[in-house]
Amino acid sequence: GENVEQHPSTLSVQEGDSAVIKCTYSDSASNYFPWYKQELGKGSQLIIDIRSNVGEKKDQRIAVTLNKTAKHFSLHITETQPEDSAVYFCALGSGAGSYQLTFGKGTKLSVIP
Amino acid sequence: NAGVTQTPKFQVLKTGQSMTLQCAQDMNHNSMYWYRQDPGMGLRLIYYSASEGTTDKGEVPNGYNVSRLNKREFSLRLESAAPSQTSVYFCASGLGGPNTGELFFGEGSRLTVL
Repeated sequence: GENVEQHPSTLSVQEGDSAVIKCTYSDSASNYFPWYKQELGKGSQLIIDIRSNVGEKKDQRIAVTLNKTAKHFSLHITETQPEDSAVYFCALGSGAGSYQLTFGKGTKLSVIP
Repeated sequence: NAGVTQTPKFQVLKTGQSMTLQCAQDMNHNSMYWYRQDPGMGLRLIYYSASEGTTDKGEVPNGYNVSRLNKREFSLRLESAAPSQTSVYFCASGLGGPNTGELFFGEGSRLTVL
């Protein structure tokens, strides 16, 4: 089955700095790469996603980059704010007909004011 | 806007007891999912329902059963709880499959099995 490695497991940054989280995968059939944010005591929320026919996608302070050749994708958060503190999960899926996402183990991001 | 609602939020069981986790969504979504989340682990799919009337096993279905009661409701049952089922359970819903768009998650149900 699909496997995804997520690093780092914890990340602390000063407010205003950038944060980068990276995920690597092995299954070349993977073609959908979402990122979910989980705040304490809440369910996860989609923050950005990318498909395999696109190399980069940006939404305000958040961007995701995909390197299909190297089989890794990364979440970039610029100008971090305290409200960015949360656990971030990468995930990957394959095919529109698939109902299964494989999630990474998560990265706990702490933004220090 | 309620979104995805799960009950109960907390439950403590003894080994061998049974219980049902309830989930309801008010977004007219077709697909619904049950995930479990363990410390240091990502979300793992237990069961899903692609549409009303269908259910399928996910990655970790052993020890669980599900019922898609109608389009809104999807319940998860533990027939004989085991300590290994101590976890936080999340229900989610989506218009189609998770690879076609956003999943909306409930706030989670924390289950402890003694």
